[in-house]
Order: sequence, then C-alpha cells, then structure tokens
Amino acid sequence: GDSVTQMEGPVTLSEEAFLTINCTYTATGYPSLFWYVQYPGEGLQLLLKATKADDKGSNKGFEATYRKETTSFHLEKGSVQVSDSAVYFCALSVNQGAQKLVFGQGTRLTINP
Amino acid sequence: DAGVIQSPRHEVTEMGQEVTLRCKPISGHNSLFWYRQTMMRGLELLIYFNNNVPIDDSGMPEDRFSAKMPNASFSTLKIQPSEPRDSAVYFCASTRTASGNTIYFGEGSWLTVV
Repeated sequence: GDSVTQMEGPVTLSEEAFLTINCTYTATGYPSLFWYVQYPGEGLQLLLKATKADDKGSNKGFEATYRKETTSFHLEKGSVQVSDSAVYFCALSVNQGAQKLVFGQGTRLTINP
Repeated sequence: DAGVIQSPRHEVTEMGQEVTLRCKPISGHNSLFWYRQTMMRGLELLIYFNNNVPIDDSGMPEDRFSAKMPNASFSTLKIQPSEPRDSAVYFCASTRTASGNTIYFGEGSWLTVV
C-alpha cells in the first residue's frame, strides 16, 4: 500500500542552524508530495508541495525536491528560526477516483535561541 | 474565503455519552476527510467522502464510530457510546478532487472522554 516514512524526532537545533528532515515514500501510481506544518494547538497547514518528479516546492525559506529515483522528498531550510518550532508532516496524495492523503508520523522540531 | 469550519473546538464528555463532531468544508470542494490525531498513533484517516458518498471507511475504528455527509456543505462524525480511548483531536479536511490539489484542514475538535 501507499506509505510515508519520515525521520524520527524530536529534532532540536539552535537558531540559524541548517535543517533537514528526511522523508521517503512508497506509492502505487504517481503521487503528489506535500509537507504540512502544525504549530502548537493548531491544525495542519500546507507548507509546500510538488506534483511531479524533479519539481521543487518552496515556502518561507523551506524547500523540498521530488526525487522519483530515490522516492524521497526531504525538507530543508538553510537557517531556522525559533518560530519554526512545530511538528512537520510529510504526505503523499494519490488519486484513486477520489483523492487521499497519506501522512508520515510527523517530526517535532524545536529551535532554541 | 472561510476555511474548513469544525465544531465544537473543545469537548469534554463522560464515558458512555454520545459525541457529535461537525464539519463544514470549503465551498466548492467535493472531497471531505475525517482524521484522528493521537500521540500514540499519529494522524489516522478515518473516512473520506467524494461527492457526498463515502469512499473508504476502513479507518473507522469500530462500530461505535459513524460518519455522514447529507449534503455538500455539512458532515458529522458521531461516537456512540464514547470511551476514554477516543480522546484525541479530530480533524476535518476538504479539497476539490484532482491530482496534486491541496487538502485544507480545519482547526480540529479536541475531544476528552473522562
């Protein structure tokens, strides 16, 4: 079946550090890939997405590239801020008549000043 | 535009009581999803609808859970009777069905069963 595996947390970094959160997937068909972010006490918000191989999604300094050959969609940011502290979810979407979003387990990120 | 609207935002109820969670999807969206989030199990897809029809309810934990979508602008998730292990955040989400379309989430209903 379709599944997403992402780097286990929690991840703790200092402000201005480089961030990578790994994400790999298995899917039947050709999925679209997403990163969602959940701030404390809130719902999930779309951070970025990519819909075909080699596409790069980017937003708020975060980037991820759809790598079909390695079935990966790693999230990166060059210089993190305290306000980036949140839980990050990698997800894939497959259209099987209706669209369905499958999530990874989430990675909790804490940025210390 | 209004996002996905869920109610109640918070509910505390006693074991054995019926709980009804409500969702209004974004206008024009034709797919609706119910997710449950817990520390132990993360985000789980419970059920999803396309054009008001349930497509996959394999994630519904047991017969105590039921979901309906009587029209394009309203859905309910009901738990009867509720149990403490049902305590979780329940998210509703919606999208316009097409490959790559973003699925938008509500702010969640935080349920505590005591």
